[in-house]
Amino acid sequence: QVQLQESGPGLVKPSQTLSLTCTVSGGSISSGSYYWSWIRQPAGKGLEYIGRIYARGGTDYNPSLKSRVTISVDRSKNQFSLRLTSVTAADTAVYYCARHYDISAKMAHGFDYWGQGILVTVSS
Amino acid sequence: DIQMTQSPSSLSTSVGDRVTITCQASQDISKCLNWYQQKPGKAPKVLIYGASNLETGVPSRFSGSGSGTDFTFTISSLQPEDIATYYCQQYDDLPFTFGGGTMVEIK
Repeated sequence: QVQLQESGPGLVKPSQTLSLTCTVSGGSISSGSYYWSWIRQPAGKGLEYIGRIYARGGTDYNPSLKSRVTISVDRSKNQFSLRLTSVTAADTAVYYCARHYDISAKMAHGFDYWGQGILVTVSS
Repeated sequence: DIQMTQSPSSLSTSVGDRVTITCQASQDISKCLNWYQQKPGKAPKVLIYGASNLETGVPSRFSGSGSGTDFTFTISSLQPEDIATYYCQQYDDLPFTFGGGTMVEIK
């Protein structure tokens, strides 16, 4: 059973960099046609896709955040990470990591595994 | 980006009632649509993928239909454990985008 777990600081100061890690257990982050994504949700609001990294390399980012986002993978630790620079209060949200895989270059079965989420507050 | 418009934003109904939620895409997305259930304090859970396919283990009272720009999600007989917020999500094009959500409550 695959499990994902987010970790990182719960409080970040404005203009600084938000850094989160997602640890994957129960399976290799490098296997299969898996994509590893970050999604966020401000309190009481909807879900926003941030971006993803492919198990074998390659990333894509939401254009609305692209200039500030980097997603990377550490295969030796079975982890992937999110860096979001120059944060403001608008970046306060619960951040989720999630997995999906593709069939014929299209998402199959949606985001099928999620972390529990981590609340990150941007405040001085 | 493809905009997903979900309605209603909330509804209140009785146990046993039929619940219908709609999701409209700003352009043709074929059947590239998923439906999720999110309970308070929890991560979303996929219920329907590919517009109409029931995820393994999901009760058959949940169903989805539609293609192109108009989609429907139905709970045939609402149960107390179905109290949650439901989201549609398109995957026809990047970035993936979600509808605004529908909060389902018991009257």
